[in-house]
Amino acid sequence: GQQVMQIPQYQHVQEGEDFTTYCNSSTTLSNIQWYKQRPGGHPVFLIQLVKSGEVKKQKRLTFQFGEAKKNSSLHITATQTTDVGTYFCAGPRGSTLGRLYFGRGTQLTVWP
Amino acid sequence: DTEVTQTPKHLVMGMTNKKSLKCEQHMGHRAMYWYKQKAKKPPELMFVYSYEKLSINESVPSRFSPECPNSSLLNLHLHALQPEDSALYLCASSQDGWDRENYGYTFGSGTRLTVV
Repeated sequence: GQQVMQIPQYQHVQEGEDFTTYCNSSTTLSNIQWYKQRPGGHPVFLIQLVKSGEVKKQKRLTFQFGEAKKNSSLHITATQTTDVGTYFCAGPRGSTLGRLYFGRGTQLTVWP
Repeated sequence: DTEVTQTPKHLVMGMTNKKSLKCEQHMGHRAMYWYKQKAKKPPELMFVYSYEKLSINESVPSRFSPECPNSSLLNLHLHALQPEDSALYLCASSQDGWDRENYGYTFGSGTRLTVV
């Protein structure tokens, strides 16, 4: 079945460095969502991308959806210790409403 | 109210016990979900309720039994669980319809379940 593949699995950066995580799908996605889960916490919705080639920004976070709607990325500029956590992309499987499946996530560690 | 509330936060149960997890939201969301998350893994979809009806069961064993008493409440009844069922159980809700702006899921803080 359709899967959303996410890389890298782990990323360790020094505070101030940039960070990027990538998601790829073998099939076209109607939309893709991004979530952040802090250690010991629960997933928190960040954004949804729907349009081909869409780019959205939230302060230091930039989200992109590929032209073919098969890949997406999250880029964080000048990481801070508050950015620590696991970032998941999530995409729908098939056309059935509600079938949202998560990539394996990228665990970000930021050291001061 | 923009929260999903889950109770209890922690639960330890024996393999012969019967327990229930509860989830509540008052955001008017008509879709509600149960996910299971093991340590260092992504959330795995278990059940989807849409307008209070079960629309998706991801081949979950019958020892997990969901229930949606009304549009604000979602329960997960547990019976005869196995130690490998120990995990964080997350409830989530969302608006209905993929084409809505910000069709994000709102997750509860979860119930950390340990089966002994």
